[in-house]
Order: sequence, then C-alpha cells, then structure tokens
Amino acid sequence: QKEVEQNSGPLSVPEGAIASLNCTYSDRGSQSFFWYRQYSGKSPELIMFIYSNGDKEDGRFTAQLNKASQYVSLLIRDSQPSDSATYLCAVNDYKLSFGAGTTVTVRA
Amino acid sequence: SQTIHQWPATLVQPVGSPLSLECTVEGTSNPNLYWYRQAAGRGLQLLFYSVGIGQISSEVPQNLSASRPQDRQFILSSKKLLLSDSGFYLCAWTPGLQIENEQFFGPGTRLTVL
Repeated sequence: QKEVEQNSGPLSVPEGAIASLNCTYSDRGSQSFFWYRQYSGKSPELIMFIYSNGDKEDGRFTAQLNKASQYVSLLIRDSQPSDSATYLCAVNDYKLSFGAGTTVTVRA
Repeated sequence: SQTIHQWPATLVQPVGSPLSLECTVEGTSNPNLYWYRQAAGRGLQLLFYSVGIGQISSEVPQNLSASRPQDRQFILSSKKLLLSDSGFYLCAWTPGLQIENEQFFGPGTRLTVL
C-alpha cells in the first residue's frame, strides 16, 4: 500500500516569512509529484508539479524533489494571508495518492 | 478550455436513501475520470476511476458504485446510504493519454447523511 505522509500542522507563519512544507512517500517507483492547495470548503487546486530531482520555481512557490530520499517539499516565500489553506501533497504512479495535508496559517 | 461540473453542490439525505451524484467534463475527449471522498479533516480517498466508457475500477469496497455512460460523464451512486457516507465528494479528470498527468478537480458535492 503506497503511503504519502505530511505533517498535519497547523503551521503558523508571520506574513512575509517562508513557509516550508514537507512530504515523504513510500513507493520508490513514483514518477510525478504534485502540490495542491485547498481552501476551507473548496476543492483542491493544483499549484505545482515536479518530475525531476532538484528545485522548480513558480512565482513565490518552489517545489523540491529528492527521489533518493523519497521526499518532496514546498516552499512558499513572502507568505501572504491569502496563502492560508491546507496544502496536499500527491504522488503519482498509475494513480494519485494524497497525503492528509498540512494546514498553513499566515498571521498578518 | 476544459471545465468540470458537479451537481448537486450540497445534499442532505436520510440513512437508507439512494444517492446519485453527477460529474461532467467539457472541452476534452476521452478523459480519465475519478471519484474521491474527503471526510471532515481528512485526506482524499480514491473511490473509483475510469479510463473509458463502461470501464470502472473500484479502489475501496463499500456500498457505493460508479458508472460512466458517456465519454465525459461520471456518476456515483448508492442504493442505501450509511452515516459513514457523509463527506465531500470530488470528481477529477486528467487527459486520457498519460495517466501521470496532473488531475483537475470539480467544485465538489458536500453530502450529509442524517
């Protein structure tokens, strides 16, 4: 059974700080990795995907992948109150397996 | 552009009643389609997925069933709801050719079973 583990949080950061989210996965054969953001009561929306080892940057978001260590992380720079949400890590082999999510609160 | 619709948005049903949730995708053909359930404060649980008309794979044995009568239509059903069926039901799609592509979610249906 594939597993995706995330710290449940909540993670509280001051506005303007960096929020760091971590995710580990058990299936060494996983090939693609996704970060979704879910606001309370809403459906998840894709914010980042990464396939190769290393860093991938998109605006204030940076995804980092280390397949040897089986972890993927998400950095949110210059955190804004609008970043307050639950962030879901997802790992894809032939289907997506989701972590339970990390709740982030950005304090104004 | 592609859009995904789900209805109803919210539903309150008594225990033992039937259920039918519908999901449709526009702007694409032959998508892979998925049904997830998210219990309160929990992660996403994959219930069913489909790679084509009439092709349904079940991930979790339960009193729910799914059908795909048309290429861009996916239906989740139950003959008799249980209290444990309460949750947020999400339909998702991904382009059909590469199953590792990112999934896009519909707005969801919030189901409360009383």
